Amino acid sequence: QVQLVESGGGVVQPGRSLRLSCVASGFTFRSYEIHWVRQAPGKGLEWVALISYDGSNKYYADSVKGRFTISRDNSKNTLYLQMSSLRTEDTAVYYCARVRHKTGLDPWGQGTLVTVSS
Amino acid sequence: AIQLTQSPSSLSASVGDRVTITCRASQDISTSLAWYQQKPGKAPKLLIYDASSLEFGVPSGFSGRGSGTDFTLTISSLQPEDFATYYCQQFKSYPLTFGGGTKVEI
Repeated sequence: QVQLVESGGGVVQPGRSLRLSCVASGFTFRSYEIHWVRQAPGKGLEWVALISYDGSNKYYADSVKGRFTISRDNSKNTLYLQMSSLRTEDTAVYYCARVRHKTGLDPWGQGTLVTVSS
Repeated sequence: AIQLTQSPSSLSASVGDRVTITCRASQDISTSLAWYQQKPGKAPKLLIYDASSLEFGVPSGFSGRGSGTDFTLTISSLQPEDFATYYCQQFKSYPLTFGGGTKVEI
């Protein structure tokens, strides 16, 4: 079935870097725009970034622009989020999600928790 | 960035109630809006896309309406499994944004 599985979360100190991965299966990964969305503990959803099907277009939330980089390897069916200069406010569960019908995201992965703390 | 304001932020309801949640955009987004349901500890689930199109497999008791700046999500008869938090998201312009969420409680 169509599935996205995130990994790479963990505890990291402020100012350090971390890379998240999202492995896709059950669909033609190279044909779809993919997004990252995060959710701080007990808070709402925050859109983070998206990458077009071929990697040629990337967009970011203002809160992460210049610090986070989204990329993909279509040969490995894998999406990445390189996070640098991490801040305590970046602590969240990070989800990857596939675009659907152009105005919706589905499915979503199960999420990976990133905790930024000294 | 386009701001999405959901109301109410929470509501209490009973099984069988009709529930309506509102999402207001800070500028015209046409029908570029999605609605999601999220249960505790789970990833969001797409309910509605293009403001009013029901996602495959979603019960027909869910419906979405609106265009421009004002949108609604209606649950016609609340079921026990519908108690969750609901979010709207706009796809009109970057950065994409979500509403603050509406928690539907018993």
